[in-house]
Amino acid sequence: GAGVSQSPSNKVTEKGKDVELRCDPISGHTALYWYRQSLGQGLEFLIYFQGNSAPDKSGLPSDRFSAERTGGSVSTLTIQRTQQEDSAVYLCASSSQGATEAFFGQGTRLTVV
Amino acid sequence: RKEVEQDPGPFNVPEGATVAFNCTYSNSASQSFFWYRQDCRKEPKLLMSVYSSGNEDGRFTAQLNRASQYISLLIRDSKLSDSATYLCVVNRYNNDMRFGAGTRLTVKP
Repeated sequence: GAGVSQSPSNKVTEKGKDVELRCDPISGHTALYWYRQSLGQGLEFLIYFQGNSAPDKSGLPSDRFSAERTGGSVSTLTIQRTQQEDSAVYLCASSSQGATEAFFGQGTRLTVV
Repeated sequence: RKEVEQDPGPFNVPEGATVAFNCTYSNSASQSFFWYRQDCRKEPKLLMSVYSSGNEDGRFTAQLNRASQYISLLIRDSKLSDSATYLCVVNRYNNDMRFGAGTRLTVKP
């Protein structure tokens, strides 16, 4: 079956530009997470969506970062006015209600030049 | 304070060694616990769940101490193929799973 799908797989952008990263979770999964991983660094929580509840945005590093989840399915992470420190792999994961496992996509590698 | 704290390592051990990773979590209402493994340039994948009584899966042993809000993973007889990043995961409530930053392990010949 289809897993978590992220697009694009790679994105190179110029400093100051806006970017949108997309995540298609596994069908029926109510929970969706965004994490990022900078080169040589650990996993860093960004945002969590659960059904129709208000998302937990406590991990977003600045107001340049925002995320939406439309119709309880696809999610878009937007980074405005990108900076070089935004370069990282952005990972999306989803899980179902009562699940014991979260499934990750293969990530979007963002490079800001 | 982060929800889930791990020693980032790196841990460099010889083949055959025993190595232990520790993790602490801040939310005492957390309900379930896991260890994930992430290979280089790959996405994290579930390694094993952690049960209150402790559990083993081959060379891997996971322990949970709810009173101290502490989780551990023990790997015995390390193999080269165990080299990876190990992520501690806590399911806080309502299916809200939070990942630690990970501990990097390198097993050397």
